[in-house]
Amino acid sequence: KAGVTQTPRYLIKTRGQQVTLSCSPISGHRSVSWYQQTPGQGLQFLFEYFSETQRNKGNFPGRFSGRQFSNSRSEMNVSTLELGDSALYLCASSRGQQETQYFGPGTRLLVL
Amino acid sequence: GNSVTQMEGPVTLSEEAFLTINCTYTATGYPSLFWYVQYPGEGLQLLLKATKADDKGSNKGFEATYRKETTSFHLEKGSVQVSDSAVYFCALTQNTGGFKTIFGAGTRLFVKA
Repeated sequence: KAGVTQTPRYLIKTRGQQVTLSCSPISGHRSVSWYQQTPGQGLQFLFEYFSETQRNKGNFPGRFSGRQFSNSRSEMNVSTLELGDSALYLCASSRGQQETQYFGPGTRLLVL
Repeated sequence: GNSVTQMEGPVTLSEEAFLTINCTYTATGYPSLFWYVQYPGEGLQLLLKATKADDKGSNKGFEATYRKETTSFHLEKGSVQVSDSAVYFCALTQNTGGFKTIFGAGTRLFVKA
């Protein structure tokens, strides 16, 4: 069974631009969560989607948004990029509530 | 709000030493508890989990017991190997009408041969 895949793996953007990251969960997994990992703040929860509905959201500004499609694939969008958005963005999928999460390799975003 | 506190690293041990990484949590209700590991250059992967009080999770020689009375989930291994060098994250997942996972800051472990 293929694991969680994330595209692109690396991305360089400039301040003010917007970016869209993609995550394909493991087949059969309907829950997708997104996390931001930085050296200073560690791993922080962004949001969780289940069956195309956002069920939970972390403490991030409205510039961070996401969506989930009917095939459970998910996208995350960050608008008006700031230098502080430079991070590793991780996606994780699971079958349902409180099930084990399987993480993708992440997308490393650098904002210049 | 919910939170996870784990001991600061880095932790440096010699091969075959005993390992303990402390983890305590604050949460309402009954969260599930996890230890994840991130090996150098690799993604985050589940090491072990426990879903209710007094459960013991174990994998690859690592163990942790869900202690509700002390709100702790300490990670232990009797004899570490160089290959255990990694960053270890304690985490809790709680159902809040959707689930949300809170991670500790991570503890970097170095094991010397």
